[in-house]
Amino acid sequence: AAGVIQSPRHLIKEKRETATLKCYPIPRHDTVYWYQQGPGQDPQFLISFYEKMQSDKGSIPDRFSAQQFSDYHSELNMSSLELGDSALYFCASSLGGPRRETQYFGPGTRLLVL
Amino acid sequence: AQKVTQAQTEISVVEKEDVTLDCVYETRDTTYYLFWYKQPPSGELVFLIRRNSFDEQNEISGRYSWNFQKSTSSFNFTITASQVVDSAVYFCALSEDIYSNYQLIWGAGTKLIIKP
Repeated sequence: AAGVIQSPRHLIKEKRETATLKCYPIPRHDTVYWYQQGPGQDPQFLISFYEKMQSDKGSIPDRFSAQQFSDYHSELNMSSLELGDSALYFCASSLGGPRRETQYFGPGTRLLVL
Repeated sequence: AQKVTQAQTEISVVEKEDVTLDCVYETRDTTYYLFWYKQPPSGELVFLIRRNSFDEQNEISGRYSWNFQKSTSSFNFTITASQVVDSAVYFCALSEDIYSNYQLIWGAGTKLIIKP
């Protein structure tokens, strides 16, 4: 079965640079979530989208923005990168809105900020 | 207050042993969902199971089984005859109706090490 696709899988950036992470949800899934996971930590919710509209906002820094496009893929834009942004970034998708449906996670993008 | 508690930070067992990972949750909602996810060393998060608050039936899937007990607010996960490939961090998560709008509330995770 098709899974959530994230690209790139690994990314190295310098401080103050920008980065764009992409997420392609499972086909027919209309809801996308972004998470940040630091080493040894549980995933922290950043933001979610349902039908191309932001549905929930978590601990997403103001330097980050995200959107969901007409084909339901999503992009997380990260500007003025800081060392502390180094983490594993997950995208998850579900069907039918951010309610009780199971979130299926992508493989993650490992971001290293130097 | 921690809503999902995984008291076992790390468990180490020898292959073929049975192992139980504990998860205790706290909620005021009557409708909620409980999940287990597996994160192997490669880093991806793999969905294992979802349980809703109205279904207390235990579930078995191969070597995996889950024991949901509302009376003790626990949703424990047992691996029977463990294998080295079971080595991973296992996260328990809670999704509530009213109090968190179905956002996933994660436990801290339990690192399971299966030695050959």
